[in-house]
Amino acid sequence: DAGVIQSPRHEVTEMGQEVTLRCKPISGHNSLFWYRQTMMRGLELLIYFNNNVPIDDSGMPEDRFSAKMPNASFSTLKIQPSEPRDSAVYFCASRLSGGFYGYTFGSGTRLTVV
Amino acid sequence: GESVGLHLPTLSVQEGDNSIINCAYSNSASDYFIWYKQESGKGPQFIIDIRSNMDKRQGQRVTVLLNKTVKHLSLQIAATQPGDSAVYFCAENQGAQKLVFGQGTRLTINP
Repeated sequence: DAGVIQSPRHEVTEMGQEVTLRCKPISGHNSLFWYRQTMMRGLELLIYFNNNVPIDDSGMPEDRFSAKMPNASFSTLKIQPSEPRDSAVYFCASRLSGGFYGYTFGSGTRLTVV
Repeated sequence: GESVGLHLPTLSVQEGDNSIINCAYSNSASDYFIWYKQESGKGPQFIIDIRSNMDKRQGQRVTVLLNKTVKHLSLQIAATQPGDSAVYFCAENQGAQKLVFGQGTRLTINP
């Protein structure tokens, strides 16, 4: 299995631009999570999906952030418009829900907004 | 002015020694706990997990201990190797699949 795949690995964009981060979960995993990691706040859960349905988006910082999961094998996290304070590493993770299973993380997308 | 970033607790051990990383969790209702290892430039990697109905679980060179009375979790790594250098996070499942991470501990292995 290729694991959780995220793209791009690095993204540098100008303030005000739209940014889209992508994630492909592990095949068969039905829960998907988006996390953000910064030095100031550590690892924060932004949103998670169960069977492609958003369950908890209470961690999404503001309306500029949106996430979708159109099918079981793909999810996007979009920031529009981006701001310098959005600079962070964004991780996607997936797991099999319904039991005590560990979460598998992708390698992350390092976002820099200048 | 510029904000001060998080200063991770740091643990330095000699290669070959055992190391113990501690973690205090917040929610007494958490039913599942995981230790993750994160190397520079990589995502968190699963090491070992434990359910709340257990107090000890062993893996290869790693042991996790859970003390629910004081809401404390520890990770013991036996015979540390250079490849064990990383940041280690504990995480608690606070129900409804909400995995909350601790701030992390940086483990440095001295040759």
